[in-house]
Amino acid sequence: AQSVTQLGSHVSVSEGALVLLRCNYSSSVPPYLFWYVQYPNQGLQLLLKYTSAATLVKGINGFEAEFKKSETSFHLTKPSAHMSDAAEYFCAVRPGGSQGNLIFGKGTKLSVKP
Amino acid sequence: DAGVIQSPRHEVTEMGQEVTLRCKPISGHNSLFWYRQTMMRGLELLIYFNNNVPIDDSGMPEDRFSAKMPNASFSTLKIQPSEPRDSAVYFCASSIGQGPTDTQYFGPGTRLTVL
Repeated sequence: AQSVTQLGSHVSVSEGALVLLRCNYSSSVPPYLFWYVQYPNQGLQLLLKYTSAATLVKGINGFEAEFKKSETSFHLTKPSAHMSDAAEYFCAVRPGGSQGNLIFGKGTKLSVKP
Repeated sequence: DAGVIQSPRHEVTEMGQEVTLRCKPISGHNSLFWYRQTMMRGLELLIYFNNNVPIDDSGMPEDRFSAKMPNASFSTLKIQPSEPRDSAVYFCASSIGQGPTDTQYFGPGTRLTVL
C-alpha cells in the first residue's frame, strides 16, 4: 500500500534560517509527489509537484524539493525562512499510473520565530 | 477567476440533525473530491467524482454519509443523522481531470461542529 510519512509534526525555525521539512514515501511503482501548504483557516494550496521530469522541483514562495529515489524521499526546503511561511505543510503521493486519489501525510506545522 | 467555492463556511448543529455541505468546483474542471480533516486522522478522501460520476467512495465512513453531483458545477455532501464524531473540517477540491499529475485545487473548507 502507498503511504507518506512526514517526520516531525512541528518544526520551529528562526527567521532567515534554513527550512527543511521531511517527507518519505512508500510506493510499489514510481510515484508522483506533491507538497501543499495550508494557512490558518484556509484550504490547501499547491507548492510544487514532482512529475518525473526533473528530480529538483522549484515551487512558489522560494520553496523547492528534491526527489531521491534511493532514499524514497521528497524533502521540502527553503534557504531563508520568512514570518509569512508559518503554516502547515502536507506531503502527498499518487502512485504512478493511478488516477484521482491523493494520499496525504499527517502534516508538519512550521513556526517561524522573529 | 473564482476558485472552489464552499458553503457554509461554518456549521453548528445538534446531534441527529441533517447537515448539507455544498461545493462549486472551478469551471471547466471535470473531477471533484471531498475530503475530511481532523486532528486525529489528518486529511482523508471521502469520495471523488469524474464527469459527475462517483468513481471511488471507499472513504465514505458509513451510510449516514452521501454525496451527489447533479451537474458539473455543483456537489453536495450530506450527513444524516449527524453525530459529534462527524465534527471536522470538510474540504472540496477540483481538478481538470483525474490524471496522475493533475493539480487539485482546494476550497476554503466547511468547519462542522456537531453538539
